[in-house]
Amino acid sequence: RKEVEQDPGPFNVPEGATVAFNCTYSNSASQSFFWYRQDCRKEPKLLMSVYSSGNEDGRFTAQLNRASQYISLLIRDSKLSDSATYLCVVKTSGYSTLTFGKGTMLLVSP
Amino acid sequence: ETGVTQTPRHLVMGMTNKKSLKCEQHLGHNAMYWYKQSAKKPLELMFVYNFKEQTENNSVPSRFSPECPNSSHLFLHLHTLQPEDSALYLCASSHPGLEGGDEQFFGPGTRLTVL
Repeated sequence: RKEVEQDPGPFNVPEGATVAFNCTYSNSASQSFFWYRQDCRKEPKLLMSVYSSGNEDGRFTAQLNRASQYISLLIRDSKLSDSATYLCVVKTSGYSTLTFGKGTMLLVSP
Repeated sequence: ETGVTQTPRHLVMGMTNKKSLKCEQHLGHNAMYWYKQSAKKPLELMFVYNFKEQTENNSVPSRFSPECPNSSHLFLHLHTLQPEDSALYLCASSHPGLEGGDEQFFGPGTRLTVL
């Protein structure tokens, strides 16, 4: 089983739509969870951390279910500028090591 | 000023060449990383340095040789590479131990093509 698994997509949605991405992780000892965003031919950038109680940042909501080892990202009112690849990232072990999923591609169309 | 810089941005090299990738971070971080990103694959962690000491080497072939002279600079020396080594090489830094310190900041990457 892959350490961090995501549906690669692409998810094609119209502007204004709500879209949700899921991610599962294999190591139950994982400590911290993040969503990164990577634009085409650019470097990954932190979108948001994921907290146990769930957290929201504007149009973005992240949820964590430790029992099911599952993380989600919900994007409301999609914008064209949201088109990117969303990487699920887990801190599993070691001093600072992060494990990245392959990413889910989102394409928002007019 | 960009937090993490990498040079060169693009590199084409033959299998017998020797080249080096450079990374510099201006964020005062104490941990630096090399990642490889190939098409259709997740980011693969190659090396981790904490306070200039290598703390992880994820079974990377010896044709990749990292060097970390200080907490702000990281190099990746390349020699006798193979075509399958063609990829985007990303450098990142972080400051573990601080609140929010797990976030890694990435440089723009070096796109490497091995002929």
